[in-house]
Amino acid sequence: DAEITQSPRHKITETGRQVTLACHQTWNHNNMFWYRQDLGHGLRLIHYSYGVQDTNKGEVSDGYSVSRSNTEDLPLTLESAASSQTSVYFCASSARTDDSPLHFGNGTRLTVT
Amino acid sequence: GQQVMQIPQYQHVQEGEDFTTYCNSSTTLSNIQWYKQRPGGHPVFLIQLVKSGEVKKQKRLTFQFGEAKKNSSLHITATQTTDVGTYFCAAISGGYNKLIFGAGTRLAVHP
Repeated sequence: DAEITQSPRHKITETGRQVTLACHQTWNHNNMFWYRQDLGHGLRLIHYSYGVQDTNKGEVSDGYSVSRSNTEDLPLTLESAASSQTSVYFCASSARTDDSPLHFGNGTRLTVT
Repeated sequence: GQQVMQIPQYQHVQEGEDFTTYCNSSTTLSNIQWYKQRPGGHPVFLIQLVKSGEVKKQKRLTFQFGEAKKNSSLHITATQTTDVGTYFCAAISGGYNKLIFGAGTRLAVHP
């Protein structure tokens, strides 16, 4: 069965370190998204991609970057981790139609100390 | 940009009671999607509404899209403990298949 996998599931890092969260999907979806989830804010869009070599900023993109070198992967990098980036991060993918539902990964819980 | 407001933020019910969450937008929506997230889990797609005034049912869940396509609701009849979780509405905002989520309504069901 197709799936979307995030790793690691949990990560603790120190302020100022660079951190990369992995996302790999086998749905062969063109669209991939990164969201962060914090209490009271729901899911907020960080970055997204509509295909290989395409990346776009979401509503909370400061301090984050992504790259899309193939269809399956969209890694999320925190350039210099800050305590405000402690959160649960979800990767999602969808097919190339405007009414396609999102398929989410299981999430990565990141703690920045 | 597009925002969707969702209320209430939290709802606590006794098992068997009904539950409703509402999603509102200041602008007309092309469609709206609903997701459920169980505690400790990830959001899972429930349904999409596209047409003005549309009503869809999934067993005890009833989804409605307003006539003006600016609001939507999810109603659960006779809640069960399996309904526990957070329910999110989501709408496309400023970009092809770029979904913006409401803050969610967390449902607690007590037996």
